[in-house]
Amino acid sequence: QVTLKESGPALVKPSQTLTLTCTFSGFSLSTTGMRVNWIRQPPGKALEWLARVDWDDDKFYKTSLKARLTISKDTSKNQVVLTMTNMDPEDTATYYCARTQLHATGIHFDYWGQGNMVTVSS
Amino acid sequence: DIQMTQSPLSLSASVGDRVTITCRASQSIITYLNWYQQKPGKAPRLLIYGVSNLQSGVPSRFSGSGSGTDFSLTITSLQPEDFAIYSCQQSYTNQFNFGPGTKVSIK
Repeated sequence: QVTLKESGPALVKPSQTLTLTCTFSGFSLSTTGMRVNWIRQPPGKALEWLARVDWDDDKFYKTSLKARLTISKDTSKNQVVLTMTNMDPEDTATYYCARTQLHATGIHFDYWGQGNMVTVSS
Repeated sequence: DIQMTQSPLSLSASVGDRVTITCRASQSIITYLNWYQQKPGKAPRLLIYGVSNLQSGVPSRFSGSGSGTDFSLTITSLQPEDFAIYSCQQSYTNQFNFGPGTKVSIK
């Protein structure tokens, strides 16, 4: 059974750095083809993909946010960590981690965590 | 960057209705298009991947079609549990943009 769960602060101040952890089970990020992503959703708005780390430690970022994002994995702990620097009130959102696998039909997010709501406010 | 648009952005329908939602990409994404369902306060759920492949456990009343830039999601007989927001997502590029979502509500 595949599960993912996000953990991190509910409130951060503007200019601070956000650190979120995704702890997963039911698969290994050392298995060929496995990938974990971070996706966010501001209240009432669309989903926005942020970053991805692959089984071979390849990393991909949303172009417009690349300077602020860092994704890393700890295979032994079954965790993926996302850091986002210089937080702004516009970064207020629910942050999800989601799994993808290498698939002939492309990248689709087949399992999601429950989300971690982050509010940026002083 | 590939932009994804959806129409309509909201619709009202009755149980038993046939509903079709359209998704358009700003350039060809061939068949790299997925659909998700999201209910209030919940994470999205994968419904369809690769335009028309039903994710395991998804009822057969959901179907998808299209290619290139124009895609659609159809629910053949709307059920009470189908009232939700539906979003498309492209995976042709490594930016994985989502559409704005279509809210399906009860008439």
